[in-house]
Amino acid sequence: NAGVTQTPKFQVLKTGQSMTLQCAQDMNHNSMYWYRQDPGMGLRLIYYSASEGTTDKGEVPNGYNVSRLNKREFSLRLESAAPSQTSVYFCASSRGQGGFTEAFFGQGTRLTVV
Amino acid sequence: RKEVEQDPGPFNVPEGATVAFNCTYSNSASQSFFWYRQDCRKEPKLLMSVYSSGNEDGRFTAQLNRASQYISLLIRDSKLSDSATYLCVGPPSGYSTLTFGKGTMLLVSP
Repeated sequence: NAGVTQTPKFQVLKTGQSMTLQCAQDMNHNSMYWYRQDPGMGLRLIYYSASEGTTDKGEVPNGYNVSRLNKREFSLRLESAAPSQTSVYFCASSRGQGGFTEAFFGQGTRLTVV
Repeated sequence: RKEVEQDPGPFNVPEGATVAFNCTYSNSASQSFFWYRQDCRKEPKLLMSVYSSGNEDGRFTAQLNRASQYISLLIRDSKLSDSATYLCVGPPSGYSTLTFGKGTMLLVSP
């Protein structure tokens, strides 16, 4: 039961470097999401994809891009990392569209930008 | 205006105690509510859904009060392993996805 798989689990980047966080789900879910979680801030939505072929900005999209490669995979790219992007990143997926069904999360990526 | 609000706690309770958390929401047209549990440095995990008629799963009971626009989570006979942060989750805000509260921390002591 893999569920939602994220890679890598940990990453340290230098300011200005780029990287892509990978996410895949094997539950045949329609919707996928990227969140970041910072102390005291709760989960904040970066981008989401309500269905294959669509992506939309969330609450904090600046500095990020996403790709819904297919129904299973949803990647998050940092083009030029900044210290403010130090955070824990969670990918999630849900069966339905529009956020009316429960979401399942990956184990997270702990990213530090120095 | 925050869509979903929770008391951050922490709630400190002894083993065996009963503890309740409330969560208020602002979207009166809401249909979907959930409680998630998050352990330190781990991903949030679905604890239970919240139905209009209430929902009970073992020691956990979730209730929805539409008139006052809040949901609640009751934990009976608290265990040490219940120590975690509990996230209240409400319906979509403007982003067509679930809205997560910031969480309530529960610490159960021996």
